[in-house]
Amino acid sequence: EVQLVESGGGLVQPGGSLRLSCAASGFTFSSYAMNWVRQAPGKGLEWVSGINADGSVTYYADSVKGRFTVSRDYSKNTLFLQMNSLRAEDTAVYYCAKTRQYTGSPFDYWGQGALVTVSS
Amino acid sequence: QSVLTQPPSASGTPGQRVTISCSGSSSNIGSDTVNWYQQLPGTAPKLLIYNNNQRPSGVPDRFSGSRSGTSASLAITGLQSEDEADYYCAAWCDSLRGWVFGGGTKLTVL
Repeated sequence: EVQLVESGGGLVQPGGSLRLSCAASGFTFSSYAMNWVRQAPGKGLEWVSGINADGSVTYYADSVKGRFTVSRDYSKNTLFLQMNSLRAEDTAVYYCAKTRQYTGSPFDYWGQGALVTVSS
Repeated sequence: QSVLTQPPSASGTPGQRVTISCSGSSSNIGSDTVNWYQQLPGTAPKLLIYNNNQRPSGVPDRFSGSRSGTSASLAITGLQSEDEADYYCAAWCDSLRGWVFGGGTKLTVL
């Protein structure tokens, strides 16, 4: 059974940093591209970042480019999102999502989400 | 302002057929496939339709999708109370090198 479990969310001050983790199990982690998608309170879904299966190519939404970094650790089957220079508008539930195959494939499994609140 | 445009709301009575539209451009829907996600209240999104009209295992055939030019639509037949949810369309956008989502449509079963 595919499982994606996010952790690392919490309250952080504007300008601060936070690192989200997504522990993956139930599939061959190294064979699939992965993504982060966020949802601000009461709002719709917004794609944040993606990384291909071997970690050689990363993608970012313009809203986070230069501030967020996606990475993956194959020894721990874990996806990460390092978030720096956080702003109030980054407040959201962050979901990690597995693709069916390559970067442009749909997201077939999602985690339960991690809440990030940016506030002073 | 989302890149893909969806109506904010839709509604129907049990047993009815409902459609939700998704409008994009040549750089997203017009050049790649569309996926639809269902988000039940308080839960994570779930893949409902992929590659325009394919259903993942376990999704009832009451749900169907189509794409024409720069638009796509999701149809739900035999509407049920458990279909009450938010529905999002999504497509890969070459010009942005990333995914774009619609703003979401809240479906109410009356």
